[in-house]
Amino acid sequence: DADVTQTPRNRITKTGKRIMLECSQTKGHDRMYWYRQDPGLGLRLIYYSFDVKDINKGEISDGYSVSRQAQAKFSLSLESAIPNQTALYFCATSDTDEDEKLFFGSGTQLSVL
Amino acid sequence: AQSVTQLGSHVSVSEGALVLLRCNYSSSVPPYLFWYVQYPNQGLQLLLKYTTGATLVKGINGFEAEFKKSETSFHLTKPSAHMSDAAEYFCAVRSYGNNRLAFGKGNQVVVIP
Repeated sequence: DADVTQTPRNRITKTGKRIMLECSQTKGHDRMYWYRQDPGLGLRLIYYSFDVKDINKGEISDGYSVSRQAQAKFSLSLESAIPNQTALYFCATSDTDEDEKLFFGSGTQLSVL
Repeated sequence: AQSVTQLGSHVSVSEGALVLLRCNYSSSVPPYLFWYVQYPNQGLQLLLKYTTGATLVKGINGFEAEFKKSETSFHLTKPSAHMSDAAEYFCAVRSYGNNRLAFGKGNQVVVIP
């Protein structure tokens, strides 16, 4: 079983819809992250959380929100999806003692029509 | 501020030839430097990292990188390309005291038989 699991793997939605992407991990890590990947732009950090009570904005948080329901769960929401949020979204985790080493899920491909 | 520059989004290399991917970083304080690899339909995984100590760092699958402070570079090399090296490669930097990674735009490596 994967250590970092993202659901769904693929999602197509319409402009204006609310959508939630979920991430769960079995690595026991405190730190969790949401990134989006766009062709030619690399990965950009949306939000990150260093523990259940800690939520921080990344470089592109506008239009997104997150919830850290438990140590193992970190969900990303798009309140009102727009086409330029079409991207590949990755959840990642890291251990506090080696937090530069990220462990990634397999990604969620989101298409907003 | 911290950032990395990877030139050339697509890199073609013949099987058995040298793989060289260039990465230059910008950081106002001592950097931690990383290379991540993304195989098709997968999340990123850590290839190698430099934090302190020896400037030549060896990673998985025969890759290595050398930190050159005077050139602000952390180029990735592999002496002989294999078909299984076809993937996207990302350089990343984290400045000391900063708790977030900044990724480059990536290099898509194509291995020609």
